[in-house]
Amino acid sequence: GQQLNQSPQSMFIQEGEDVSMNCTSSSIFNTWLWYKQDPGEGPVLLIALYKAGELTSNGRLTAQFGITRKDSFLNISASIPSDVGIYFCAGPGNTGKLIFGQGTTLQVKP
Amino acid sequence: SAVISQKPSRDICQRGTSLTIQCQVDSQVTMMFWYRQQPGQSLTLIATANQGSEATYESGFVIDKFPISRPNLTFSTLTVSNMSPEDSSIYLCSALRGETQYFGPGTRLLVL
Repeated sequence: GQQLNQSPQSMFIQEGEDVSMNCTSSSIFNTWLWYKQDPGEGPVLLIALYKAGELTSNGRLTAQFGITRKDSFLNISASIPSDVGIYFCAGPGNTGKLIFGQGTTLQVKP
Repeated sequence: SAVISQKPSRDICQRGTSLTIQCQVDSQVTMMFWYRQQPGQSLTLIATANQGSEATYESGFVIDKFPISRPNLTFSTLTVSNMSPEDSSIYLCSALRGETQYFGPGTRLLVL
């Protein structure tokens, strides 16, 4: 079935550093979504991408929809301690229901 | 956006018992879903809660184990039946409004 593969699985960085994570699939996705899950909370949508090649920013976050429609990346600039959490990529599968990647766990050292 | 609340937020249950989780959305939504998130894992869709009819279950999930109700457009319940320790997980309610899918805070379940 369709799968989304995220990397890296986890990251431990210093406050102020930039972060990059990506999501790939062997299948084409027409929408790419990036969610963040804070500890003890449900996922919250950060950025939605609807068009191949699209580059979208939300504050310190930037995400791109790959040209092949099989990948996407999320960058976080100048990380701060509240960036800690799990970042999930997601996209609607063939049935229209969301498929989630395995998540990238981010830890930020003050 | 959609504001989703869940009750209870957490519970510790004995094996063999059942727990019903409630999900309330602040206003009408087109679709509601229930997910399971096992410790350290991603989200797995259990079922789509259909208003006024039986839920649509994903492969590996059955109605007898996870009965779901959706009596109206803003409320749904998920019951975890005859629980075992393997059911220890976070259960998340989700709702679709427009093109965006929103999530509740989750219910943390520990089965002893």
